[in-house]
Amino acid sequence: DAKTTQPPSMDCAEGRAANLPCNHSTISGNEYVYWYRQIHSQGPQYIIHGLKNNETNEMASLIITEDRKSSTLILPHATLRDTAVYYCIVRPGSSNTGKLIFGQGTTLQVKP
Amino acid sequence: GAGVSQSPSNKVTEKGKDVELRCDPISGHTALYWYRQSLGQGLEFLIYFQGNSAPDKSGLPSDRFSAERTGGSVSTLTIQRTQQEDSAVYLCASQLTSGDTYEQYFGPGTRLTVT
Repeated sequence: DAKTTQPPSMDCAEGRAANLPCNHSTISGNEYVYWYRQIHSQGPQYIIHGLKNNETNEMASLIITEDRKSSTLILPHATLRDTAVYYCIVRPGSSNTGKLIFGQGTTLQVKP
Repeated sequence: GAGVSQSPSNKVTEKGKDVELRCDPISGHTALYWYRQSLGQGLEFLIYFQGNSAPDKSGLPSDRFSAERTGGSVSTLTIQRTQQEDSAVYLCASQLTSGDTYEQYFGPGTRLTVT
């Protein structure tokens, strides 16, 4: 079973920041939080991951609470192409390999 | 560079037939994963290869499902005596496991329809 909880859907206006929340209250100390997204009819795409500290890359920022029980993915300037299902995943174990357990994700609709 | 490729992109088969789905990972990626995505179940893990061995087969739904990987590269997922509930998109992903890498790269998937 997925160890994360996400809202099923969200809307965001084009050009505005999209903030996607995720709860992972049972996360273990050595487990990473990953974010992937899946644009319609494509395979999932890696976005970002983190352990404790906030992370930023060219796609997004990841904010993890101090107790690590929740996190927020931030798309700073959402575009129509960011419309997708966003998955927050806690990878079992401390290894950087192994299966990803996908939940239902959040369907983000970016509107003009 | 070339990404993960899968073939065929679409497969329609009759119930009871066997099917083979192929995955070509990114060159040099030692880890390979199979997932499937169906309307009722979302994205679910099937099997994981590290090189040619499969340390995690926990997601294979029945003994009709098997997979192999040869030469640390191409992988084949075989479904015997297909059933209608096997209809889904089968996704393959690969990962570079040397160094500080964490990203799984997914292919476009094979859409399997069992009639």
